[in-house]
Amino acid sequence: NAGVMQNPRHLVRRRGQEARLRCSPMKGHSHVYWYRQLPEEGLKFMVYLQKENIIDESGMPKERFSAEFPKEGPSILRIQQVVRGDSAAYFCASSPPGLAGGLRDEQFFGPGTRLTVL
Amino acid sequence: QQQVKQSPQSLIVQKGGIPIINCAYENTAFDYFPWYQQFPGKGPALLIAIRPDVSEKKEGRFTISFNKSAKQFSLHIMDSQPGDSATYFCAANLMGNTGKLIFGQGTTLQVKP
Repeated sequence: NAGVMQNPRHLVRRRGQEARLRCSPMKGHSHVYWYRQLPEEGLKFMVYLQKENIIDESGMPKERFSAEFPKEGPSILRIQQVVRGDSAAYFCASSPPGLAGGLRDEQFFGPGTRLTVL
Repeated sequence: QQQVKQSPQSLIVQKGGIPIINCAYENTAFDYFPWYQQFPGKGPALLIAIRPDVSEKKEGRFTISFNKSAKQFSLHIMDSQPGDSATYFCAANLMGNTGKLIFGQGTTLQVKP
């Protein structure tokens, strides 16, 4: 059973370009979360999605960042007009279906995409 | 109020020692407390988790101790090995339907042979 898959693993962009990060959740998982990790820091929540719905985007910057989890295909985190401060590791996690308070709370992380903005 | 404070920032122990990492929180609405292990260049891996209705949980060499009244929880690694050298993060999740994990700042553990 494959784990959470993310691609690309490394992404280099110049200032002003767009970055698209993809995440395929574990088989059977219907909840996807995106986190950002700056060097030497902990992970910061960005957004929580279910299929075709954004449930909680309280951690997303107001501008340039967007996320989607379409009915078919992977979840996408999109960063428009990247700046040097966007350089970080972006992790996707997924959890199984169900109610909060049960297995749905267990989040499994992918290997991350390391974004470098030149 | 949504912070989780983790200490120490770094820790060095000898092989066989028992490193202890501590976390504290303020928000009593947190009801799920996982610990993650992260190796350089890798994603965090779920190690063990606890809910407030129990005071201790053990899985293999990893034990969580939970003190609900003090709003603190800690990770103990029994018989630590050099392969346990990694960064450890505690986290907390709010009761209800939110999926937002609030992470501590991390502890870098080095286990010397």
